[in-house]
Amino acid sequence: AQKITQTQPGMFVQEKEAVTLDCTYDTSDPSYGLFWYKQPSSGEMIFLIYQGSYDQQNATEGRYSLNFQKARKSANLVISASQLGDSAMYFCAMRPEVRGSEKLVFGKGTKLTVNP
Amino acid sequence: DAGITQSPRYKITETGRQVTLMCHQTWSHSYMFWYRQDLGHGLRLIYYSAAADITDKGEVPDGYVVSRSKTENFPLTLESATRSQTSVYFCASSALAGGPFFGPGTRLTVL
Repeated sequence: AQKITQTQPGMFVQEKEAVTLDCTYDTSDPSYGLFWYKQPSSGEMIFLIYQGSYDQQNATEGRYSLNFQKARKSANLVISASQLGDSAMYFCAMRPEVRGSEKLVFGKGTKLTVNP
Repeated sequence: DAGITQSPRYKITETGRQVTLMCHQTWSHSYMFWYRQDLGHGLRLIYYSAAADITDKGEVPDGYVVSRSKTENFPLTLESATRSQTSVYFCASSALAGGPFFGPGTRLTVL
């Protein structure tokens, strides 16, 4: 069974600094995708970044990058140059990319607070 | 407009009533998902569907029924609502790889 672990219930960062949100996962599937979502206080789930398990390079999307270490089964999110608007809950998720086993499973989230 | 929509956005009902939450996507995504979000539990998968007429249980399916007669729609029915089903419900859709994209959510209160 898949499992996602986010060990940081809350994180604080100063505006304009970088922050890393941790995520480890466990799966026996040979092919899978890793995702990060942002949930601001307004409640919507915003897709941030995707990393495929066979991708050679770490994914990047603007100020977001995913530090993928397959051997360690970690998929940490790095936010560079934090902004006040980055304050939100962040969820790591994983999904096998194998037909018949496509459930997307979430971690419990990390609450990020960006201080001015 | 393209995207994924949920209706209603807010619903108050009483214990024992049947409630149906609607989800509609315009991307022709094969996969659709229903999640509930509760404090302390994060997002938990209720049901998902790999294609029209193909559905499977997630982590917390009891008390819920789904159907998918058309690719674009994936309604979730609470056959006899209970107070423990008070939650925020999210629908999502995706292709096999990448995505999934979430709808805006439905806040359901069962009195």
